[in-house]
Amino acid sequence: ETGVTQTPRHLVMGMTNKKSLKCEQHLGHNAMYWYKQSAKKPLELMFVYSLEERVENNSVPSRFSPECPNSSHLFLHLHTLQPEDSALYLCASSAIDGQSYEQYFGPGTRLTVT
Amino acid sequence: TQLLEQSPQFLSIQEGENLTVYCNSSSVFSSLQWYRQEPGEGPVLLVTVVTGGEVKKLKRLTFQFGDARKDSSLHITAAQPGDTGLYLCAGDSSASKIIFGSGTRLSIRP
Repeated sequence: ETGVTQTPRHLVMGMTNKKSLKCEQHLGHNAMYWYKQSAKKPLELMFVYSLEERVENNSVPSRFSPECPNSSHLFLHLHTLQPEDSALYLCASSAIDGQSYEQYFGPGTRLTVT
Repeated sequence: TQLLEQSPQFLSIQEGENLTVYCNSSSVFSSLQWYRQEPGEGPVLLVTVVTGGEVKKLKRLTFQFGDARKDSSLHITAAQPGDTGLYLCAGDSSASKIIFGSGTRLSIRP
């Protein structure tokens, strides 16, 4: 099984739908991350879970709700999204060794909100 | 607010030429990473630099971390079409303080 997997790879949803993105890491890491990548903008860190506790929520709207049931799984629950939320959503994991936080990314979910 | 500025934003060169990409900040980072991202995929880690002044080589790629740990450069020698992609630098100071640059989109013409 490859390092970090994400499902689905592509998602089209209406503004009134509820959907969830799933991420799984097989690297034995203890931190997981959600990023948003939009055209012409830097990667935006949305949420960080370290040892299964949320340690960062970078002013993300409440229509995005993360869940980390254990150190290998991460979810992003979506509801009543806006068209401007269309983007590539990337999950990443890292070890926490106090020196660097090298990110190992999944392939991403391309989300389109109609 | 910490920012990482990358330059140039776009670069298109002929196969065999050399190039340098820059990553600059006014903030000090504990470490800095370089990633390459291809269309439809997530970024892939190339290298991590930790010590000010550090130089690391990965085949034809040379990475340097500034003495003050605020900036970095990536130099590619004899570029190949397989080097095409989006190059991202990222600085971190903790698990929740990771900042990405806006990226350099590199195209190598055969």
